[in-house]
Amino acid sequence: GAVVSQHPSWVICKSGTSVKIECRSLDFQATTMFWYRQFPKQSLMLMATSNEGSKATYEQGVEKDKFLINHASLTLSTLTVTSAHPEDSSFYICSARGLRRSYEQYFGPGTRLTVT
Amino acid sequence: GEDVEQSLFLSVREGDSSVINCTYTDSSSTYLYWYKQEPGAGLQLLTYIFSNMDMKQDQRLTVLLNKKDKHLSLRIADTQTGDSAIYFCAESGGRTGFQKLVFGTGTRLLVSP
Repeated sequence: GAVVSQHPSWVICKSGTSVKIECRSLDFQATTMFWYRQFPKQSLMLMATSNEGSKATYEQGVEKDKFLINHASLTLSTLTVTSAHPEDSSFYICSARGLRRSYEQYFGPGTRLTVT
Repeated sequence: GEDVEQSLFLSVREGDSSVINCTYTDSSSTYLYWYKQEPGAGLQLLTYIFSNMDMKQDQRLTVLLNKKDKHLSLRIADTQTGDSAIYFCAESGGRTGFQKLVFGTGTRLLVSP
């Protein structure tokens, strides 16, 4: 149980285009989902927290107009990187937390974004 | 601010025990976690411990918590080559609140045959 998927697993896009990454909780309802960014050989940096049906809460320094987050249902959250630039290239990981055992957070496999 | 520190690298031989250490600064942390990340993959929750516990054992994994020293450790018994990965400790329930995880810097474990 507690499986989180992400799609796509990797994506290459041209500078200036937008990219959408999906995060799904497959076997539980995720009341809260989190989006992280990870640079090579570094730890995870929390970008934003989203609760189903409400606006995401962004961490300091994260541009909300650049990284659009939608948590439309209890099993799906999306992150859209708008007008991507090479410096947005990174590994993006989502995680999800359900109602039961809400202190446990389960992570997706990550999406590697390369902007050329 | 909140800070979680780990040593960067640990190398052991197959069959030995591995001990990965973590220190944190937020004395009000409620939950402490260990996650494993293999190359190019997401994080796998290995185990966690509540702050009112000293020890938790789960098969080959033993977590020790010294709340006074704000020190957490993960011991892996009979380490295998498949255990080679990056291990992150994390805390929640402290000053950053219950929702957020604060991650350590990660320890790269290399297991040689």
